[in-house]
Amino acid sequence: QQQVKQSPQSLIVQKGGISIINCAYENTAFDYFPWYQQFPGKGPALLIAIRPDVSEKKEGRFTISFNKSAKQFSLHIMDSQPGDSATYFCAASRTGTGNQFYFGTGTSLTVIP
Amino acid sequence: GAVVSQHPSRVICKSGTSVKIECRSLDFQATTMFWYRQFPKQSLMLMATSNEGSKATYEQGVEKDKFLINHASLTLSTLTVTSAHPEDSSFYICSAQDNYEQYFGPGTRLTVT
Repeated sequence: QQQVKQSPQSLIVQKGGISIINCAYENTAFDYFPWYQQFPGKGPALLIAIRPDVSEKKEGRFTISFNKSAKQFSLHIMDSQPGDSATYFCAASRTGTGNQFYFGTGTSLTVIP
Repeated sequence: GAVVSQHPSRVICKSGTSVKIECRSLDFQATTMFWYRQFPKQSLMLMATSNEGSKATYEQGVEKDKFLINHASLTLSTLTVTSAHPEDSSFYICSAQDNYEQYFGPGTRLTVT
């Protein structure tokens, strides 16, 4: 059973546009929601993360929107650049020692010049 | 901060041999490390959770006698693929937990010929 559902599977955006990736979860015990960026042949790198006590978090061009009642969260990339072309994974976990991360299926983002 | 290294980055081995992959947290101590496997264009599949000084916890379907995990110190975990077969060829990624966050290594590309 997929604990975290992610969409879309792939996304093509024009340079300067907004990229939006959505995730949904079922387990209300989850209390930490990170987003990772992965380039081909590399490990995932933490991009931004949010806890459910806030509805939005912004870091530079990256924003997480969080809807606790809908059990959904999304990543917005403003002013998308070709260098943002990568695979993005959302994840969810219940914090604590040894907490397991549940990953979404990933979104392949291509930003065209 | 929060840097995780893996060695080797790429390895080619013959069927039937064993190969060891090292995962190190360089600037923090990690009681818990995780090992993942990733197939092309797919998400991360958790293989096992490694706790310092104790036996690893393997996910369902992962052969513990084939994928030996040792977490002998707070900065080092190793994954040994024993009697490797071509179907073990994959991208193996480790992560180390620092507080509630997981920081990923750059991955190891294993090719079994």
